[in-house]
Amino acid sequence: DAGVTQSPTHLIKTRGQQVTLRCSPKSGHDTVSWYQQALGQGPQFIFQYYEEEERQRGNFPDRFSGHQFPNYSSELNVNALLLGDSALYLCASSLYRDAETQYFGPGTRLLVL
Amino acid sequence: DQQVKQNSPSLSVQEGRISILNCDYTNSMFDYFLWYKKYPAEGPTFLISISSIKDKNEDGRFTVFLNKSAKHLSLHIVPSQPGDSAVYFCAASARNYGGSQGNLIFGKGTKLSVKP
Repeated sequence: DAGVTQSPTHLIKTRGQQVTLRCSPKSGHDTVSWYQQALGQGPQFIFQYYEEEERQRGNFPDRFSGHQFPNYSSELNVNALLLGDSALYLCASSLYRDAETQYFGPGTRLLVL
Repeated sequence: DQQVKQNSPSLSVQEGRISILNCDYTNSMFDYFLWYKKYPAEGPTFLISISSIKDKNEDGRFTVFLNKSAKHLSLHIVPSQPGDSAVYFCAASARNYGGSQGNLIFGKGTKLSVKP
């Protein structure tokens, strides 16, 4: 049974560019959440997708957007990259009825130069 | 302002002894708490959770205690094993308030080292 997978594992971008990160949830899960983890910090909630809609959003600007596909996979898009966007981006999947028990992928390490 | 605080960045314990990791929270609406373990180059792994209607939950070597009046929870690992060496994150959720299920608020983590 495949767990949560994310691609790519690492990415280097320059300021002002745009980036798309991808996530496939654990088999049977219908909800995907995205988190940003800066160095030395805990993961910070970006948003949650269920039934292809954004259900909740954390304190992140509109430059951060997402999408969920009919097969429950998801993308995180970040526009106009800033140096401060450098972080580990974690995708977590769950069942909507038990949204707190989240299973995390290994993350995508984004470096913005 | 941090709503979930893990005030000890690191903890070192001898193999076979008890590890106690602490977590404090400030938001009274939090009603569900979780502990995650994270190894380098991996995502956090769910360990154990507790609802605010309980004060203790146990799963094998792991026990979580919740003191609502003190807004404090702790994770006990007994006996500690070298494979438990990892960063442990405390997380909280306001499950029954305002539809924020699944919006986990994490602490900064405590790095546990278990020495053989």
